Amino acid sequence: DTGVSQDPRHKITKRGQNVTFRCDPISEHNRLYWYRQTLGQGPEFLTYFQNEAQLEKSRLLSDRFSAERPKGSFSTLEIQRTEQGDSAMYLCASSLGTGSEKLFFGSGTQLSVL
Amino acid sequence: ILNVEQSPQSLHVQEGDSTNFTCSFPSSNFYALHWYRWETAKSPEALFVMTLNGDEKKKGRISATLNTKEGYSYLYIKGSQPEDSATYLCAFRGGTALIFGKGTTLSVSS
Repeated sequence: DTGVSQDPRHKITKRGQNVTFRCDPISEHNRLYWYRQTLGQGPEFLTYFQNEAQLEKSRLLSDRFSAERPKGSFSTLEIQRTEQGDSAMYLCASSLGTGSEKLFFGSGTQLSVL
Repeated sequence: ILNVEQSPQSLHVQEGDSTNFTCSFPSSNFYALHWYRWETAKSPEALFVMTLNGDEKKKGRISATLNTKEGYSYLYIKGSQPEDSATYLCAFRGGTALIFGKGTTLSVSS
């Protein structure tokens, strides 16, 4: 068990550019979540996968955001045409998917849009 | 939109003090209530997952209670230590997504 890993740890980009983040969950976990956290706020739910199926997506999520989890393993989160308001910590978490189990979080990707 | 409220927003105590935080959540469609500790420069780490009304869980000096009928949970820390300094997040699960509160930031001085 190597934990949840996220790459990169930090990303600085210019407004209008596209960015992609990667998350590798704990290997036997079939649920994977993406959250976004800004200063002074709790983690905000973005989207959730059960294996390769994206089962839920926040209604607040812009169409510029897309996530995939091919083959039910790692996941990518892409933000197109970044805006300064996208600057945040992007957290990935995984869980076994057996019910009310706890989430295991990665260290996050800190995005700064200039 | 589901609302999860935590209070206080921040708290500063002396080493050895006992303290508690509150989390309030919707009392309908309850599935589970989670508590996480988030230390600076680390990942959020699960403390407790509670599912039944009246649940009480304990881990060392930290304990939590759950009242699903009135929609609140308390987290208690007995004899705070500097290493307890962190942000404590509660999260409500009513469906598949876990909805987090803004957290309570605890600072413990030695």
